[in-house]
Amino acid sequence: GAGVSQTPSNKVTEKGKYVELRCDPISGHTALYWYRQSLGQGPEFLIYFQGTGAADDSGLPNDRFFAVRPEGSVSTLKIQRTERGDSAVYLCASSPGQGGSPLHFGNGTRLTVT
Amino acid sequence: GDSVTQMEGPVTLSEEAFLTINCTYTATGYPSLFWYVQYPGEGLQLLLKATKADDKGSNKGFEATYRKETTSFHLEKGSVQVSDSAVYFCARRAGAGSYQLTFGKGTKLSVIP
Repeated sequence: GAGVSQTPSNKVTEKGKYVELRCDPISGHTALYWYRQSLGQGPEFLIYFQGTGAADDSGLPNDRFFAVRPEGSVSTLKIQRTERGDSAVYLCASSPGQGGSPLHFGNGTRLTVT
Repeated sequence: GDSVTQMEGPVTLSEEAFLTINCTYTATGYPSLFWYVQYPGEGLQLLLKATKADDKGSNKGFEATYRKETTSFHLEKGSVQVSDSAVYFCARRAGAGSYQLTFGKGTKLSVIP
C-alpha cells in the first residue's frame, strides 16, 4: 500500500524566503511526526500531532517554524524567513496512534537555503 | 536528557564478513530500543526493536540484544551482503506509551563484493 509521501523531494530557496513542506501520512494513521536531519546527524524531533492538534511542539527550534494538520491527515511544515542553518532533510512519519506503534517514515524533503 | 551514542562510521566490510555496530543509551526509565535502516534513496525503515531488558530483536539476519547492565543495544549480523549497504540508526523511546524517538548519529555501512 501507499507509504508516507512528502513533497517536494527537494527545495532550494533563498535566505529570507518562506517555504512550505507537505506530508501525506498513511491513510488511517492518527499520529504524525516531523523530524529534521542535518548532515551527519540523526533525525531530531520537531513536532508531534495526534489528530488535528499538536500534542508536542517542544522540538521546534524557534517561532519561525510552524506546522498544521487541519483535517487530521495531511500536514504542512511552514518555515518563515529561512536561514542557511535551516538547510536539512525534513522527515515526516506517521503511526496508527498508540504510543508503542512503530513509525513509518517518508523519504524526506531536502531543503537548501542559499 | 535522553541520548543515544553509536559508533561512528563509515564502516567498510567485505561480503560475508561479520558486522557489529555499537550503540549505547542513557538509562533513564525503561526505554524501548530500535534500529532503523536507511537504504540509498529510501526513507528510514524499522529494522528491529526490543522493549525490555534481555529482549532480542531480529530481522533479515540482523540481531540486537537489550542489555540493561551495559546500557547497550549493539547490532550484529553474521554474514553481510552487498545489499546491506545503508545507514543504520540506533534509537530509543522513553517508554511503552511514549512517542518521541531519540536517534544516534547513524553509521554508514558499505559492503564490497
